[in-house]
Formats: sequence, structure tokens, C-alpha cells
Amino acid sequence: QVQLQESGPGLVRPSGTLSLTCAVSGGSLDGTNWWVWARQPPGKGLEWIGEINHTGSTNYNPSLKNRVIISVDNSKNQFSLSLTSVTAADTAVYYCARDPGRAVAVIWGQGTMVTVSS
Amino acid sequence: DIQMTQSPSTLSASVGDRVTITCRASQSISSWLAWYQQKPGKAPKLLISQASTLESGVPSRFSGSGSGTEFTVTISSLQPDDFATYYCQQYKTYSRTFGQGTRVEIK
Repeated sequence: QVQLQESGPGLVRPSGTLSLTCAVSGGSLDGTNWWVWARQPPGKGLEWIGEINHTGSTNYNPSLKNRVIISVDNSKNQFSLSLTSVTAADTAVYYCARDPGRAVAVIWGQGTMVTVSS
Repeated sequence: DIQMTQSPSTLSASVGDRVTITCRASQSISSWLAWYQQKPGKAPKLLISQASTLESGVPSRFSGSGSGTEFTVTISSLQPDDFATYYCQQYKTYSRTFGQGTRVEIK
């Protein structure tokens, strides 16, 4: 059973870079899988950020594309999110998830709260 | 960009009730629609994909329908475990837009 676990700083300064990692256990990154990042501001709805596969191919939400980089490390069985020039609007619970090639997120991590504040 | 609008925003119902949530897309998304259930403090759970395909392990009281721009998810007989927030999501485009959510609460 594949499991995902997000990790990273819980506090980021405004104008800084938010960096998170998702460790995948119980399975490898390869195959038809896409590895997803999504977020949810406190008390609000969900927003899809982007995805990556094991070859490093990526797809991003156009609304965030100019600030987001998603990368993969197959040797460590993990993938990462980098979001630059953050503001308070980027405060959210960040989730990683697995898409088995069906364009839907089937397995999710528990989420990690990131606050943007000075 | 494709906008997804759910109605109602909040739904009050009793155990055993039949409930329906509607999701409308701002343009046609064919059947590229998923429904998720989310409980407080937890990650979303995928219930339905391709507008009407129930995920493995999801109770048969859940059903989805629709295509194009209008979609529904129905719970045939609401159970205590079903009180949660439900989100639709389009996956025709890479914005993968979610609806704003429908909270199903106890009446």
C-alpha cells in the first residue's frame, strides 16, 4: 500500500521560497503514476498546484506556473515542491498525492500546514 | 479558465435522507469530473471519477451522473459517516479546478 508523507518548514517569510518534500513508501515512483501537489488555505477549498512523473515531466496549474517548480528524486523515492515569492495568500495545508495515470488523486498524504508570515 | 460551481454550499439533512449535490462547469468538460469527500483535518478521499465511476471500496449508496457542464452526486440514504464536505473537480485542463465545496451537516 503506497503511503505519502509531506515534510518541510511550517513557517516561511514573505517573498521567500516555500520548499516541501513528499516521501513515497510502499511503492516506487515509476510506471504510469503522476505525483501531485495540491493545497488548501485555512477554511477554504482545494487548489491543484501541479504534477510530475518519474521521468521529470511536469504539468502545472497555469495560475501558479511562473512561481512553481516540482522536481523528482527517484533514488530517494521522493518528489518536491518549490514555490517562490510567497505571500500570505500562499498560507495553506499542502498535500501531496498519487495519480495512477487517471488524472485524479487516488492516494493522499496527511498534509502539512505552511504559514507565510514575518 | 474553467470555473466549477457547486450548489448548495451547505446542506442540512438527516440520517436516511436522499441528498443530491450539483456541480456546474463554465464550459463543457465531457465526463472529466471527479468527486471527493473531505472530513475536518483530513485529506480528501476520491469517491467518483469519470463523472459516474465509483472508486473501489466506496459504498454503493453514492452515485454520480452528468456530462458536459452539469453533474450531480447523490447519496441514496445518508449515513452518519457521510457528514463531510464534498468537492467536485474537473480534469479536462491542467488547472484541475475544484468547486468551492458543499458541506453536508446534520439537521
